[in-house]
Amino acid sequence: QKEVEQNSGPLSVPEGAIASLNCTYSDRGSQSFFWYRQYSGKSPELIMSIYSNGDKEDGRFTAQLNKASQYVSLLIRDSQPSDSATYLCAVLNTGGFKTIFGAGTRLFVKA
Amino acid sequence: EAGVTQFPSHSVIEKGQTVTLRCDPISGHDNLYWYRRVMGKEIKFLLHFVKESKQDESGMPNNRFLAERTGGTYSTLKVQPAELEDSGVYFCASSPDPPSYGYTFGSGTRLTVV
Repeated sequence: QKEVEQNSGPLSVPEGAIASLNCTYSDRGSQSFFWYRQYSGKSPELIMSIYSNGDKEDGRFTAQLNKASQYVSLLIRDSQPSDSATYLCAVLNTGGFKTIFGAGTRLFVKA
Repeated sequence: EAGVTQFPSHSVIEKGQTVTLRCDPISGHDNLYWYRRVMGKEIKFLLHFVKESKQDESGMPNNRFLAERTGGTYSTLKVQPAELEDSGVYFCASSPDPPSYGYTFGSGTRLTVV
């Protein structure tokens, strides 16, 4: 079992729709969770962090965390073509010093 | 604030040669990380410095890889001798304490071993 699992996609949504990206993790002791966005040929960019169960909203982005189910998700509302990128789920391990990344989900937003 | 700087951005070397990658973290960030992404795979942890000390080097693939962080500032990652499977994109990232706030990544070094 991979430590952080994501559907590789691609996930294709029309402009203006909601994109839903999902992630599961194996380390039950993890307390910090992140979503990074990576455009092709660029470096990952932190877009959301979440530490408590429930939802956290920032603009068009909402991160959701369920520690009991070891599940993290990212919702992108009113998706734009500029949101087309690979989204990486990342989990800080129990020791709190190493972040483990999923392989990423490729998102395409069609104009 | 200046970001994380890496160079070179690209390097093409022959198998058996030596390459040194450099990373300048954000000033004041005690935590510095090296990650690697090989084609089609996830970004893999290599090692973590706290200031000049290696906190965790469990991800270093073998003893051909040597990382240093001089005076807790910039870091170098040397591959000697390089093998074909070392090709990939090497990312450096830094974070303040505690590292639970997430990382800032550099733009990466694309290493190609031929």
